[in-house]
Amino acid sequence: QSALTQPRSVSGSPGQSVTISCTGTSSDVGGYSFVTWYQQHSGKAPKLMIYDVSKRPSGVPDRFSGSKSGNTASLTISGLQGEDEADYYCCSYGGTNINWVFGGGTKLTVL
Amino acid sequence: EVQLVQSGAEVKKPGESLKISCKGSGYSFTSYWIGWVRQMPGKGLEWMGIIYPGDSDTRYSPSFQGQVTISADKSISTAYLQWSSLKASDTAMYYCARLTGTFRGGTFDYWGQGTLVTVSS
Repeated sequence: QSALTQPRSVSGSPGQSVTISCTGTSSDVGGYSFVTWYQQHSGKAPKLMIYDVSKRPSGVPDRFSGSKSGNTASLTISGLQGEDEADYYCCSYGGTNINWVFGGGTKLTVL
Repeated sequence: EVQLVQSGAEVKKPGESLKISCKGSGYSFTSYWIGWVRQMPGKGLEWMGIIYPGDSDTRYSPSFQGQVTISADKSISTAYLQWSSLKASDTAMYYCARLTGTFRGGTFDYWGQGTLVTVSS
């Protein structure tokens, strides 16, 4: 099972919006609603930001939103802040043989 | 408060065995699957496998099947990841994470702080 495809890096200025894509197949992203997004600051454990494609856990700012169209999921961060600078990983359920697959990660730089 | 606390960093030689741990608290440990995730230096996250501590049902990623063993001791709310013969390529940070859901789908919602395993001669 190949990793989900994410852009290596994205950037934006404070206050702007950025969108990170996550492309899979009909066997993972396109086939299930179990798409999650994690934020990982350098040297820290991943933190759940979005689950079930578009749901936000308690405590995650509403500047973070998720969506999915076909085999591609997206994470949008609006009103960029310096603290958003981190690596972001998507993850999708991929069926009972594979179970879970992650994207390669996207480094977000806040200019 | 849900917490997953992992054992400390390890430095091992190739061929040695190792067992790292992940202790859960603040929730019913036997009611949630626990997963393990590898992150090699400078690389992304890779799902390794999951275990249901309630009955020790275990599922492995095809990439890690036969390479590691996942187990759990529900009496002390602890999950384990072990190697029988380490290789230099096992050098990585290993995270445990709680799964809200089942092996048929769900979300890894709470994560441990990670255990750094270094394998070097």
